[in-house]
Amino acid sequence: EVQLVQSGAEVRKPGESLKISCQGSGYTFTNYWIGWVRQLPGKGLEWMGIIHPRNSDARYSPSFQGRVTISADKSITTAYLQWSSLTASDTAIYFCTRYYNNYLDSWGQGALVTVSS
Amino acid sequence: QSVLTQPASVSGSPGQSITISCAGTSSDIGVDVYNFVSWYQHHPGNAPKLIIYDVTERPSGVSSRFSGSKSGDTASLTISGLQAEDEADYYCTSYTTSDTLIFGGGTRLTVL
Repeated sequence: EVQLVQSGAEVRKPGESLKISCQGSGYTFTNYWIGWVRQLPGKGLEWMGIIHPRNSDARYSPSFQGRVTISADKSITTAYLQWSSLTASDTAIYFCTRYYNNYLDSWGQGALVTVSS
Repeated sequence: QSVLTQPASVSGSPGQSITISCAGTSSDIGVDVYNFVSWYQHHPGNAPKLIIYDVTERPSGVSSRFSGSKSGDTASLTISGLQAEDEADYYCTSYTTSDTLIFGGGTRLTVL
């Protein structure tokens, strides 16, 4: 069974850094892209970007380019989403998802990130 | 275009059919050679679930009450024989000519 297990909820202050994770299991991790999706409070889903764990080729939605960094460590079948300096507008739920042939066939459980002073 | 256009809400009674539209452009849904529209069901608090991919295909285990279609720049999701558990948020996505995915704004389905 394909599973994507995300790290837990995080609370940070504005200006702090953060790295959240998504561990894949039940499939060959290096054969599929992993994507990240944001859901702002009370809002819809937004596509952030993807990474291929085999070579760490990362591609970003224009709205998120330069604002976040997507990375992966294939040795531990884990993908990451990180911020160097959080703002309150980063408060959201973040989902990782397996990307296959331009659709998202498995999803993590989501991680709530709260940025508040 | 930042998002595909979906109605904010739709509703229907148990047993009825409803259709959710997803309007795009000639750079995404409307690209003739692309059949890269997918739909997701999201019960808040849970992970979204893929229910339709490649415009019309259903993943294994998804009820045949869910069906998808596309005409021109617009895709549609139809749910027949509405059930209480269908009450959720529904999102469309499309691959685009910018080599990225784009989501619809989401539709809240209420089963009356």
